[in-house]
Amino acid sequence: DAGVIQSPRHEVTEMGQEVTLRCKPISGHNSLFWYRQTMMRGLELLIYFNNNVPIDDSGMPEDRFSAKMPNASFSTLKIQPSEPRDSAVYFCASSPQTGTTEAFFGQGTRLTVV
Amino acid sequence: GESVGLHLPTLSVQEGDNSIINCAYSNSASDYFIWYKQESGKGPQFIIDIRSNMDKRQGQRVTVLLNKTVKHLSLQIAATQPGDSAVYFCAESSGGYQKVTFGTGTKLQVIP
Repeated sequence: DAGVIQSPRHEVTEMGQEVTLRCKPISGHNSLFWYRQTMMRGLELLIYFNNNVPIDDSGMPEDRFSAKMPNASFSTLKIQPSEPRDSAVYFCASSPQTGTTEAFFGQGTRLTVV
Repeated sequence: GESVGLHLPTLSVQEGDNSIINCAYSNSASDYFIWYKQESGKGPQFIIDIRSNMDKRQGQRVTVLLNKTVKHLSLQIAATQPGDSAVYFCAESSGGYQKVTFGTGTKLQVIP
Protein backbone atom coordinates (compact mmCIF):
# COMPACT_ATOMS: atom_id res chain seq x y z
CA ASP A 1 0.00 0.00 0.00
CA ALA A 2 1.28 3.49 -0.82
CA GLY A 3 0.20 4.88 2.50
CA VAL A 4 -1.90 7.98 3.02
CA ILE A 5 -1.66 10.17 -0.05
CA GLN A 6 -2.08 13.92 0.16
CA SER A 7 -2.16 16.47 -2.61
CA PRO A 8 -0.82 18.91 -3.38
CA ARG A 9 2.46 18.67 -1.45
CA HIS A 10 2.91 22.42 -1.63
CA GLU A 11 0.38 25.17 -2.23
CA VAL A 12 0.99 28.88 -2.45
CA THR A 13 -2.07 31.04 -2.77
CA GLU A 14 -3.13 34.63 -2.35
CA MET A 15 -5.18 35.80 0.58
CA GLY A 16 -8.87 35.52 -0.14
CA GLN A 17 -8.57 32.58 -2.49
CA GLU A 18 -10.18 29.21 -1.92
CA VAL A 19 -7.85 26.34 -1.10
CA THR A 20 -8.72 22.66 -1.30
CA LEU A 21 -6.49 20.01 0.20
CA ARG A 22 -7.02 16.38 -0.71
CA CYS A 23 -6.44 13.09 1.02
CA LYS A 24 -6.66 9.43 0.09
CA PRO A 25 -6.55 7.24 3.19
CA ILE A 26 -5.11 3.76 3.35
CA SER A 27 -7.53 1.26 1.86
CA GLY A 28 -9.58 -0.45 4.55
CA HIS A 29 -9.03 2.22 7.17
CA ASN A 30 -12.30 3.54 8.48
CA SER A 31 -11.08 6.56 10.44
CA LEU A 32 -9.63 9.71 8.93
CA PHE A 33 -8.09 12.74 10.63
CA TRP A 34 -7.06 16.21 9.55
CA TYR A 35 -4.28 17.90 11.55
CA ARG A 36 -2.58 21.27 11.22
CA GLN A 37 1.03 21.86 12.29
CA THR A 38 2.63 25.23 12.98
CA MET A 39 5.63 26.27 15.01
CA MET A 40 3.45 28.32 17.33
CA ARG A 41 0.66 25.83 17.98
CA GLY A 42 2.23 22.46 17.22
CA LEU A 43 0.04 19.65 15.94
CA GLU A 44 -3.68 20.35 16.26
CA LEU A 45 -6.50 17.95 15.46
CA LEU A 46 -8.99 19.78 13.27
CA ILE A 47 -11.60 17.11 12.55
CA TYR A 48 -11.97 13.36 12.33
CA PHE A 49 -14.32 10.99 10.55
CA ASN A 50 -15.44 7.45 11.28
CA ASN A 51 -16.94 5.53 8.36
CA ASN A 52 -17.13 8.79 6.37
CA VAL A 53 -19.15 10.55 9.09
CA PRO A 54 -17.68 13.59 10.87
CA ILE A 55 -17.41 12.74 14.56
CA ASP A 56 -15.68 15.73 16.09
CA ASP A 57 -15.00 19.02 14.35
CA SER A 58 -14.36 21.04 17.49
CA GLY A 59 -10.81 21.71 16.33
CA MET A 60 -11.85 23.45 13.15
CA PRO A 61 -10.71 27.02 13.72
CA GLU A 62 -13.64 28.85 12.17
CA ASP A 63 -16.35 28.74 9.55
CA ARG A 64 -13.85 29.38 6.78
CA PHE A 65 -12.73 25.77 7.24
CA SER A 66 -14.80 22.83 6.06
CA ALA A 67 -14.08 19.14 5.53
CA LYS A 68 -15.88 16.44 3.63
CA MET A 69 -15.53 12.73 3.15
CA PRO A 70 -17.83 11.70 0.31
CA ASN A 71 -16.57 8.12 0.30
CA ALA A 72 -14.16 5.82 2.09
CA SER A 73 -11.26 6.64 -0.20
CA PHE A 74 -11.33 10.42 -0.39
CA SER A 75 -11.50 13.48 1.84
CA THR A 76 -11.07 17.20 1.32
CA LEU A 77 -10.26 20.10 3.61
CA LYS A 78 -11.34 23.44 2.20
CA ILE A 79 -10.43 26.94 3.34
CA GLN A 80 -12.53 29.75 1.92
CA PRO A 81 -11.42 32.50 2.01
CA SER A 82 -7.82 31.79 2.96
CA GLU A 83 -5.81 34.11 5.21
CA PRO A 84 -2.06 34.40 5.87
CA ARG A 85 -2.53 32.93 9.36
CA ASP A 86 -3.74 29.71 7.74
CA SER A 87 -0.20 29.07 6.53
CA ALA A 88 0.84 25.73 8.00
CA VAL A 89 1.48 22.11 7.15
CA TYR A 90 -1.76 20.18 6.97
CA PHE A 91 -1.63 16.46 7.61
CA CYS A 92 -4.16 13.81 6.87
CA ALA A 93 -3.99 10.52 8.77
CA SER A 94 -6.00 7.32 8.74
CA SER A 95 -6.51 4.54 11.23
CA PRO A 96 -7.62 0.96 10.62
CA GLN A 97 -10.24 0.56 13.31
CA THR A 98 -11.56 1.84 16.56
CA GLY A 99 -9.67 0.50 19.55
CA THR A 100 -6.26 1.60 18.34
CA THR A 101 -4.33 4.80 18.86
CA GLU A 102 -2.08 4.22 15.87
CA ALA A 103 -2.70 6.62 13.03
CA PHE A 104 -0.82 6.60 9.74
CA PHE A 105 0.08 10.06 8.52
CA GLY A 106 0.53 11.36 5.01
CA GLN A 107 3.44 13.52 3.93
CA GLY A 108 1.46 16.67 4.49
CA THR A 109 0.55 19.71 2.41
CA ARG A 110 2.57 22.83 3.07
CA LEU A 111 0.22 25.77 2.59
CA THR A 112 1.49 29.31 2.23
CA VAL A 113 -1.04 32.13 2.01
CA VAL A 114 0.49 35.42 0.90
CA GLY B 1 -2.93 20.07 26.66
CA GLU B 2 0.56 21.38 26.78
CA SER B 3 1.48 24.86 25.66
CA VAL B 4 3.44 25.25 22.50
CA GLY B 5 6.44 27.47 22.10
CA LEU B 6 8.66 28.64 19.31
CA HIS B 7 11.64 26.56 20.38
CA LEU B 8 11.68 22.83 20.71
CA PRO B 9 13.72 21.44 23.59
CA THR B 10 16.67 19.53 22.19
CA LEU B 11 18.35 16.41 23.47
CA SER B 12 21.78 15.54 22.12
CA VAL B 13 22.94 11.97 22.57
CA GLN B 14 26.04 10.10 21.50
CA GLU B 15 25.43 7.25 19.10
CA GLY B 16 25.15 4.01 21.03
CA ASP B 17 24.03 5.66 24.26
CA ASN B 18 20.53 5.40 25.65
CA SER B 19 18.13 8.31 25.22
CA ILE B 20 15.40 9.38 27.59
CA ILE B 21 12.77 11.81 26.35
CA ASN B 22 10.39 13.22 28.92
CA CYS B 23 6.90 14.61 28.72
CA ALA B 24 4.51 16.13 31.23
CA TYR B 25 0.81 15.80 30.59
CA SER B 26 -2.14 17.61 32.07
CA ASN B 27 -5.24 15.48 31.51
CA SER B 28 -5.73 12.92 34.26
CA ALA B 29 -8.63 11.41 32.34
CA SER B 30 -6.56 10.34 29.34
CA ASP B 31 -7.08 6.72 28.33
CA TYR B 32 -3.89 6.22 26.37
CA PHE B 33 -0.52 7.90 26.08
CA ILE B 34 1.31 7.69 22.82
CA TRP B 35 4.72 8.47 21.37
CA TYR B 36 5.21 9.61 17.78
CA LYS B 37 8.38 10.31 15.85
CA GLN B 38 8.56 12.94 13.12
CA GLU B 39 11.49 13.11 10.74
CA SER B 40 12.17 16.28 8.80
CA GLY B 41 9.72 16.78 5.96
CA LYS B 42 7.58 13.81 6.91
CA GLY B 43 4.42 13.11 8.82
CA PRO B 44 4.48 11.77 12.37
CA GLN B 45 5.04 8.03 12.76
CA PHE B 46 3.59 5.97 15.59
CA ILE B 47 6.16 4.41 17.92
CA ILE B 48 4.36 2.95 20.91
CA ASP B 49 1.43 3.56 23.21
CA ILE B 50 0.59 2.72 26.79
CA ARG B 51 -2.78 2.35 28.41
CA SER B 52 -3.42 4.56 31.41
CA ASN B 53 -3.72 1.57 33.78
CA MET B 54 -0.17 0.45 32.99
CA ASP B 55 3.13 1.91 34.13
CA LYS B 56 5.54 0.34 31.68
CA ARG B 57 5.50 -1.05 28.18
CA GLN B 58 8.36 -2.26 26.04
CA GLY B 59 8.78 -2.38 22.32
CA GLN B 60 11.68 -2.92 20.01
CA ARG B 61 14.52 -0.82 21.50
CA VAL B 62 11.98 1.45 23.16
CA THR B 63 10.38 1.52 26.59
CA VAL B 64 7.64 3.85 27.72
CA LEU B 65 7.17 4.62 31.39
CA LEU B 66 4.07 6.25 32.84
CA ASN B 67 3.96 7.88 36.25
CA LYS B 68 0.41 8.98 36.90
CA THR B 69 1.23 10.38 40.32
CA VAL B 70 3.29 13.18 38.84
CA LYS B 71 1.68 13.08 35.38
CA HIS B 72 4.90 12.18 33.67
CA LEU B 73 5.62 10.08 30.63
CA SER B 74 9.00 9.06 29.26
CA LEU B 75 10.35 7.29 26.21
CA GLN B 76 13.59 5.42 26.51
CA ILE B 77 15.48 4.48 23.37
CA ALA B 78 18.22 1.90 23.79
CA ALA B 79 21.46 2.10 21.79
CA THR B 80 20.48 5.27 19.98
CA GLN B 81 21.26 5.32 16.27
CA PRO B 82 21.60 8.17 13.76
CA GLY B 83 18.26 7.14 12.28
CA ASP B 84 16.62 7.99 15.59
CA SER B 85 17.30 11.69 14.99
CA ALA B 86 13.87 13.30 14.79
CA VAL B 87 11.30 15.24 16.77
CA TYR B 88 9.47 13.09 19.30
CA PHE B 89 5.94 13.94 20.38
CA CYS B 90 4.05 12.61 23.31
CA ALA B 91 0.32 12.55 22.84
CA GLU B 92 -2.74 11.58 24.82
CA SER B 93 -6.18 10.34 23.94
CA SER B 94 -9.33 10.62 25.97
CA GLY B 95 -13.02 10.09 25.41
CA GLY B 96 -12.27 7.46 22.83
CA TYR B 97 -9.18 6.18 21.13
CA GLN B 98 -9.04 8.67 18.36
CA LYS B 99 -9.19 12.16 19.74
CA VAL B 100 -5.45 12.53 20.16
CA THR B 101 -3.85 15.67 21.57
CA PHE B 102 -0.18 16.18 20.79
CA GLY B 103 2.40 17.77 23.05
CA THR B 104 5.10 20.23 22.06
CA GLY B 105 7.78 17.82 20.93
CA THR B 106 11.44 17.21 21.73
CA LYS B 107 14.15 17.21 19.13
CA LEU B 108 16.60 14.33 19.43
CA GLN B 109 20.02 14.82 17.86
CA VAL B 110 22.27 11.80 17.63
CA ILE B 111 25.95 12.57 17.50
CA PRO B 112 27.90 10.04 15.42
